[in-house]
Amino acid sequence: NAGVTQTPKFQVLKTGQSMTLQCAQDMNHNSMYWYRQDPGMGLRLIYYSASEGTTDKGEVPNGYNVSRLNKREFSLRLESAAPSQTSVYFCASRGQGALGQPQHFGDGTRLSIL
Amino acid sequence: RKEVEQDPGPFNVPEGATVAFNCTYSNSASQSFFWYRQDCRKEPKLLMSVYSSGNEDGRFTAQLNRASQYISLLIRDSKLSDSATYLCAAGRDDKIIFGKGTRLHILP
Repeated sequence: NAGVTQTPKFQVLKTGQSMTLQCAQDMNHNSMYWYRQDPGMGLRLIYYSASEGTTDKGEVPNGYNVSRLNKREFSLRLESAAPSQTSVYFCASRGQGALGQPQHFGDGTRLSIL
Repeated sequence: RKEVEQDPGPFNVPEGATVAFNCTYSNSASQSFFWYRQDCRKEPKLLMSVYSSGNEDGRFTAQLNRASQYISLLIRDSKLSDSATYLCAAGRDDKIIFGKGTRLHILP
């Protein structure tokens, strides 16, 4: 059971470079999410997608774009990376149905911007 | 102000003690509530969903107080392995917001 798979696991970029973080889930979940986690800041929601074809801004969307390519895949793009985007990025998915459906998280992508 | 607030701790608690965390949320329309556990540099993992009537899973009890807009987590008979960061989350529809997390250290 792969669950939620994120690639790459680690990446170092230079300021101004662009990059796409990939996320795929095999649980047939409708909803997918991108969070970032910085020391002492918990998880902050960047963007989420309630279903294929829809995306919505979260708490900290500036500097990011997302694409819900299909039901399985949700990518996060940094067009021009900045040192402030150095963080651990987590992708998550969530099934539909009764309230209380939890999110399932990937292992994270550790991104450093120099 | 963040939508979901937690005391960051750390809570340093002797093994075998009972520890309680609270978490407040500002969006009164929130429908879904969760407690997650996160170990150092790992992904968050679900500890419990929180239901209106409260729920228990072994040594863990979660409660929801809609009037005061907070959720709580009680850990009884704490174990060394309970040392972790505990994240609460609240959401409406599909938008799930997390608190900053509470660090718990269980002392031998």
